[in-house]
Amino acid sequence: GENVEQHPSTLSVQEGDSAVIKCTYSDSASNYFPWYKQELGKGSQLIIDIRSNVGEKKDQRIAVTLNKTAKHFSLHITETQPEDSAVYFCAASKNDDKIIFGKGTRLHILP
Amino acid sequence: ETGVTQSPTHLIKTRGQQVTLRCSSQSGHNTVSWYQQALGQGPQFIFQYYREEENGRGNFPPRFSGLQFPNYSSELNVNALELDDSALYLCASSVRRAGVGDTQYFGPGTRLTVL
Repeated sequence: GENVEQHPSTLSVQEGDSAVIKCTYSDSASNYFPWYKQELGKGSQLIIDIRSNVGEKKDQRIAVTLNKTAKHFSLHITETQPEDSAVYFCAASKNDDKIIFGKGTRLHILP
Repeated sequence: ETGVTQSPTHLIKTRGQQVTLRCSSQSGHNTVSWYQQALGQGPQFIFQYYREEENGRGNFPPRFSGLQFPNYSSELNVNALELDDSALYLCASSVRRAGVGDTQYFGPGTRLTVL
């Protein structure tokens, strides 16, 4: 079955700098890659997603890139702000059914 | 806010007991998926319900069961609770059309503690 690896497990960046979180997946049939942000008491919020027919997608300060050949996808957050501090999960699925999550990255934005 | 609600927010049970968790899906969504998230881990897929029937199941024993109602809300039932069942239980709702699902939106979760 699908396996999603996520790195790093913890990431600290200075406010205003960029943060990058990287994931790999094992099942070449996976075609949907969402990213979720999880904050205490707020559940998991979908922040961006990408489908396998696209190589890159951007939404304001957040971008996701997908390399299907290498089975890599990455989240890029630019101009980081204190409210970006949270746990971020990458995930992969086929046709948006069972979602397989990575183990998460705890992002700390330092003042 | 995703419009997905879960109840209760927190729950404490003892080993061997049974628990029922509830989820109301977002308006217009016909599919509910349940996930278990242990501390420090990513969510793990338990099962999915579509049109009141189970539509896929993860690697969880039969004591984890579910229901979906005609209004698309859902319940997760866990029998014979074990200490390792302590976790955050998340439900996610989505729309399924022509055999293909769409983006899943998560509720805030139910924190279950088994003593």
